[in-house]
Amino acid sequence: QKEVEQNSGPLSVPEGAIASLNCTYSDRVSQSFFWYRQYSGKSPELIMSIYSNGDKEDGRFTAQLNKASQYVSLLIRDSQPSDSATYLCAVRYSGGYQKVTFGTGTKLQVIP
Amino acid sequence: GAGVSQSPSNKVTEKGKDVELRCDPISGHTALYWYRQSLGQGLEFLIYFQGNSAPDKSGLPSDRFSAERTGGSVSTLTIQRTQQEDSAVYLCASSHPELQGYDGYTFGSGTRLTVV
Repeated sequence: QKEVEQNSGPLSVPEGAIASLNCTYSDRVSQSFFWYRQYSGKSPELIMSIYSNGDKEDGRFTAQLNKASQYVSLLIRDSQPSDSATYLCAVRYSGGYQKVTFGTGTKLQVIP
Repeated sequence: GAGVSQSPSNKVTEKGKDVELRCDPISGHTALYWYRQSLGQGLEFLIYFQGNSAPDKSGLPSDRFSAERTGGSVSTLTIQRTQQEDSAVYLCASSHPELQGYDGYTFGSGTRLTVV
């Protein structure tokens, strides 16, 4: 059973701080890694994709991938109250077909 | 279309009735997925379509659930003889899994199903 694990939180950070969200996955044969943001009562929204080891930056968001450690993280710089949401980590595994496995999400609360 | 479109956005039905939920994926996306999400819970996979075929329907909770996709585009999820435990938000997503950079899911806004 391929798994994606996240701490459910809530993770509370003060406004302006860096929020660090972490995710581990169970299978080394993995291809694509995603972070989704889900506001309460809304559907998930893709915010970052990362495919190779290292960092990928997009505005205030940085995704970090370490395949050797089977670890992917999302950093949110200068956190804003509008960043308060549940963040879902997702992994597409190689082989078979292309279904993505989702973690259960980490709830982030940014305190003004 | 520009995004994944789902209809209806809300559906209230009586226990025992059949319901049909519709999903219109992004044009050109070959893969389509149905998930459901109960209040405060994670995403529960239901079924995956590649083109018009469904190589993985392992998440359908019972034989009351079925889905089809026609023309490699629109999909319909049908729930027969609805039960109260079917109440949830049903989410559809599409992707183009063969293209890196387009293989992430784009979700529709969902159908909130309430069985009374």
